[in-house]
Amino acid sequence: GAGVSQSPRYKVAKRGQDVALRCDPISGHVSLFWYQQALGQGPEFLTYFQNEAQLDKSGLPSDRFFAERPEGSVSTLKIQRTQQEDSAVYLCASSYRTAYEQYFGPGTRLTVT
Amino acid sequence: AQTVTQSQPEMSVQEAETVTLSCTYDTSESDYYLFWYKQPPSRQMILVIRQEAYKQQNATENRFSVNFQKAAKSFSLKISDSQLGDAAMYFCAYTGLLQGGSEKLVFGKGTKLTVNP
Repeated sequence: GAGVSQSPRYKVAKRGQDVALRCDPISGHVSLFWYQQALGQGPEFLTYFQNEAQLDKSGLPSDRFFAERPEGSVSTLKIQRTQQEDSAVYLCASSYRTAYEQYFGPGTRLTVT
Repeated sequence: AQTVTQSQPEMSVQEAETVTLSCTYDTSESDYYLFWYKQPPSRQMILVIRQEAYKQQNATENRFSVNFQKAAKSFSLKISDSQLGDAAMYFCAYTGLLQGGSEKLVFGKGTKLTVNP
């Protein structure tokens, strides 16, 4: 496909469950970002990859959040022992080069019950 | 840390009229980029317009233009000839080139734009 894809689009998890969210960036895009968007708020940065290297994970809210991009393309954001405050839309974005346009995926809406 | 402020939670405009959305930011960097993104109800974020801080000329993309005031740290978006399809959340965003290598975007809280027929 031509755009950034994310799966699943919707995820309901019971508190304490682990979840894994997947992002397929645009082919050839070096940079990949994860953002968390709470209801009615702007997206907030979680982590950034350049190829397979995770260069910035300063936005991850706790050690329950973990992201990887092992082959420099697909990325997975994992949340362990989910809590209610983790309920949000998780957005993935990719870009071709520095400070260029970030292309966003449709997001995964996570609801923790 | 860089911050982006959008002081208008909601705005409305009549179809075919012009509307301006406000954005201010705070940074100590001299080189950076500013963006306006549009997020329709389907939630896919789309870039509307981009401005490099070193360029004095305001960016324009068809009906969308910005008023970039670097000294005032202001970056407003003007939408001319508003169309029903312009209805969405609009986010102002910043990225600096000296953020330790990270190209992360810092977003404002957004402005919900309603277009009335």
